[in-house]
Amino acid sequence: AQSVTQPDIHITVSEGASLELRCNYSYGATPYLFWYVQSPGQGLQLLLKYFSGDTLVQGIKGFEAEFKRSQSSFNLRKPSVHWSDAAEYFCAVDSGNTPLVFGKGTRLSVIA
Amino acid sequence: NAGVTQTPKFRVLKTGQSMTLLCAQDMNHEYMYWYRQDPGMGLRLIHYSVGEGTTAKGEVPDGYNVSRLKKQNFLLGLESAAPSQTSVYFCASFDPRPHLTTEAFFGQGTRLTVV
Repeated sequence: AQSVTQPDIHITVSEGASLELRCNYSYGATPYLFWYVQSPGQGLQLLLKYFSGDTLVQGIKGFEAEFKRSQSSFNLRKPSVHWSDAAEYFCAVDSGNTPLVFGKGTRLSVIA
Repeated sequence: NAGVTQTPKFRVLKTGQSMTLLCAQDMNHEYMYWYRQDPGMGLRLIHYSVGEGTTAKGEVPDGYNVSRLKKQNFLLGLESAAPSQTSVYFCASFDPRPHLTTEAFFGQGTRLTVV
């Protein structure tokens, strides 16, 4: 069965600092990988996705993620965080025709 | 261009009451899912459907029933609500055709409180 681990429950960064959110997955083949963001009281917004090809994926709002097959990881990065990036971030995985499996999420706080 | 619409958006139930959450999608997607979101737990799959007339259990199906009588609608029922079902419920739809590099589309959520 597929599983997703987000090791960091809560991360605090200073505005303007770089950010990396970790995601590890367990799946037999190369899965489809996603990062979603959820602002308080809101629904889920897709940041980026990886299906195949280039392992460095660009997303919206200046985010990128890198797929590393050898490490079963799909970490999310942003070079300079803005206060509006404070939210909860979810990594998710599926095989293309199975329901998405989500990690437990990482809450990002941004301080001045 | 509605996408995925969930009704209602908010609801308060008393323990033992029943209710149905409706999810409607206008993208002709075959797959539809119901998730619940609880603090620190991420989104957990309740039930899903891979086509009209089909349903299957997910990770946390107990206390819920679903129906997919029409392709565009996926209903989630609580027959006898319990406080443990207090949660935010999300519906999603998905097109699984392999030549499409698509993703699941989510509704805005239903916040349910059982008192």
